[in-house]
Amino acid sequence: AQSVAQPEDQVNVAEGNPLTVKCTYSVSGNPYLFWYVQYPNRGLQFLLKYITGDNLVKGSYGFEAEFNKSQTSFHLKKPSALVSDSALYFCAVRDGSSNTGKLIFGQGTTLQVKP
Amino acid sequence: KAGVTQTPRYLIKTRGQQVTLSCSPISGHRSVSWYQQTPGQGLQFLFEYFSETQRNKGNFPGRFSGRQFSNSRSEMNVSTLELGDSALYLCASSLPGSGSYEQYFGPGTRLTVT
Repeated sequence: AQSVAQPEDQVNVAEGNPLTVKCTYSVSGNPYLFWYVQYPNRGLQFLLKYITGDNLVKGSYGFEAEFNKSQTSFHLKKPSALVSDSALYFCAVRDGSSNTGKLIFGQGTTLQVKP
Repeated sequence: KAGVTQTPRYLIKTRGQQVTLSCSPISGHRSVSWYQQTPGQGLQFLFEYFSETQRNKGNFPGRFSGRQFSNSRSEMNVSTLELGDSALYLCASSLPGSGSYEQYFGPGTRLTVT
């Protein structure tokens, strides 16, 4: 069965500091991995994905994520946090070996960036 | 391109009633998926449609159903509403076979059951 774990309910960082939001996954086939962000009363906004290739993927708004197959992790990072990055972040996995777009989401991590 | 649109944005219904939610995907996208978001259960997959066919279904009771039309627009229906159906219902569209894989989400429909 597929699953995603985001071990931290909330991450607090100071503006200008680097941030990391953690994600580990379990999938039987090839992992297709995604990060989404959700602002209050909004839908989910796509940030970045890992399908194949380089383990370090870059996405929108200066975010990047590193795929680590041995640790089954896909942590989201940003070198310098902004107050406007404060939001709810979701990691999601899809089984790339199956013919379905079904995403399994983690429980979400609230990122709070303080000025 | 216009994004995914969902109507209505907000709904209040009474227990026992039924409700229909609508989703219009991004132009050209042929796959539509639905998700339920609640504070307790998080984001859960409901179903996926591609070319008017249900391709996958999540672990929800039969009261939850959906369909997709020839123009790729999709509707989901919940019959005999329960209090626990109160949630944000999100629709997402994608373009299978394009090599992009990501899904693009609409703003959601906030359903409140009283």
